Amino acid sequence: GEDVEQSLFLSVREGDSSVINCTYTDSSSTYLYWYKQEPGAGLQLLTYIFSNMDMKQDQRLTVLLNKKDKHLSLRIADTQTGDSAIYFCAETSLRGTGANNLFFGTGTRLTVIP
Amino acid sequence: DAMVIQNPRYQVTQFGKPVTLSCSQTLNHNVMYWYQQKSSQAPKLLFHYYDKDFNNEADTPDNFQSRRPNTSFCFLDIRSPGLGDAAMYLCATSITGGVGSPLHFGNGTRLTVT
Repeated sequence: GEDVEQSLFLSVREGDSSVINCTYTDSSSTYLYWYKQEPGAGLQLLTYIFSNMDMKQDQRLTVLLNKKDKHLSLRIADTQTGDSAIYFCAETSLRGTGANNLFFGTGTRLTVIP
Repeated sequence: DAMVIQNPRYQVTQFGKPVTLSCSQTLNHNVMYWYQQKSSQAPKLLFHYYDKDFNNEADTPDNFQSRRPNTSFCFLDIRSPGLGDAAMYLCATSITGGVGSPLHFGNGTRLTVT
């Protein structure tokens, strides 16, 4: 079955770059997503990448995908205190369910130290 | 702004007392999802509607039901809540069920069972 793994915790100093890593097992994954969850809130879509891409950049966010190793990373440049949150990696593939069923990792709690 | 709205943000119910959580969307998306997120865990899909077609995940307990009376609204009914049903319930939408159709989440309803 699908399995998405992330480190549980990451601490960085304000202004440094953060790199959050994710590994997945489903080789048929077609899209991979990054969501941000602030305390007590829902999930906010940050960015996503199609599996035929190696990299996607969106302002301070850079997503790198190594499809061979099934490894995804999210780099946040110039990390700010407002970036403190839980970051979820999610993958999806064609399953014929009629829905975009995302399988989420357990999330990485990013703490930004002022 | 178009969005996914969940009410209430916090819901307290008694063991065994039926409870209904609501979700509305102004995005006019075809698909609506309900996810359950227990403390420090990844969100897990319970079921989804593609238009009026209901799709239950295989391991969703019978205690959980859903209704979608129109495009904009979707309800989650828990017939006899147990202590193990305490969780954050997240509603999400997507334009289509395709894998490249990102999910947009509401802020969630945190359910407490006493």
